[in-house]
Amino acid sequence: DGGITQSPKYLFRKEGQNVTLSCEQNLNHDAMYWYRQDPGQGLRLIYYSQIVNDFQKGDIAEGYSVSREKKESFPLTVTSAQKNPTAFYLCASVFDGDTEAFFGQGTRLTVV
Amino acid sequence: GENVEQHPSTLSVQEGDSAVIKCTYSDSASNYFPWYKQELGKRPQLIIDIRSNVGEKKDQRIAVTLNKTAKHFSLHITETQPEDSAVYFCAAPWGGMDTGRRALTFGSGTRLQVQP
Repeated sequence: DGGITQSPKYLFRKEGQNVTLSCEQNLNHDAMYWYRQDPGQGLRLIYYSQIVNDFQKGDIAEGYSVSREKKESFPLTVTSAQKNPTAFYLCASVFDGDTEAFFGQGTRLTVV
Repeated sequence: GENVEQHPSTLSVQEGDSAVIKCTYSDSASNYFPWYKQELGKRPQLIIDIRSNVGEKKDQRIAVTLNKTAKHFSLHITETQPEDSAVYFCAAPWGGMDTGRRALTFGSGTRLQVQP
C-alpha cells in the first residue's frame, strides 16, 4: 500500500525537550516538505528537501531541524528553541517539480 | 517567500448555490496553481490544479480560473452540497524559475459551510 506515513499521530512534549516527528514515503518521490498548521490558519512551510542530502529553510525554520539521509525519510526535530511548538504538523511529498503534493495524516504536537 | 493571499476566510452558502474563493500571488515565475480540500481532522487533498498555459479548467462541479496578468486565480464550486463543507486552500510554488528548488506556499484557507 503506497503512501506517506507520519508518526506518531499525537505527541506531547515537555518544556525544554527536543522531539522528533517521523515522515516516511514509499512513493519514490524526490521532494519532501514539512508544514505547520495552527488552528484556523493555513499551512506554513518549515523546511523542504528536493533531493537526498539537501534541504532548504522555509518561512518558519527557526527552532526546527531536519535531515534527509534517505529518499524515503524526512524527519523533523522540534527543538527547545521553538518557543511555541503546539500545532498540527503535516509532511508532504511530490514526485517532480510542479505536481500534486501528497500529505501524511499529520502529527498533533502539544507542549505540557 | 511567495505571498499567497486568499479570500474570504469563511464562506456560508445554501445547498445548491455556487461558491467562489479567490487567491492572489506575488511571484511572477509561478506557473502551477493547485487547490486542496481539508476536511476536519484529515489531511489536505488535491481537488483541482491549473497551469499557466491555460485560463480555465473544469472537473464536474469544480472549476479554476487563472489570470496571470493580474496574478490571481479562483476556485468555483457549483451546485454545492453539504459534503463540500471543508477548508479549502490555494497554493503556488515559491523559489524562482528552477522547479527543482521550489516548494508550495499555501494561502490561509477558506472555511466553506454549505447549509442544507
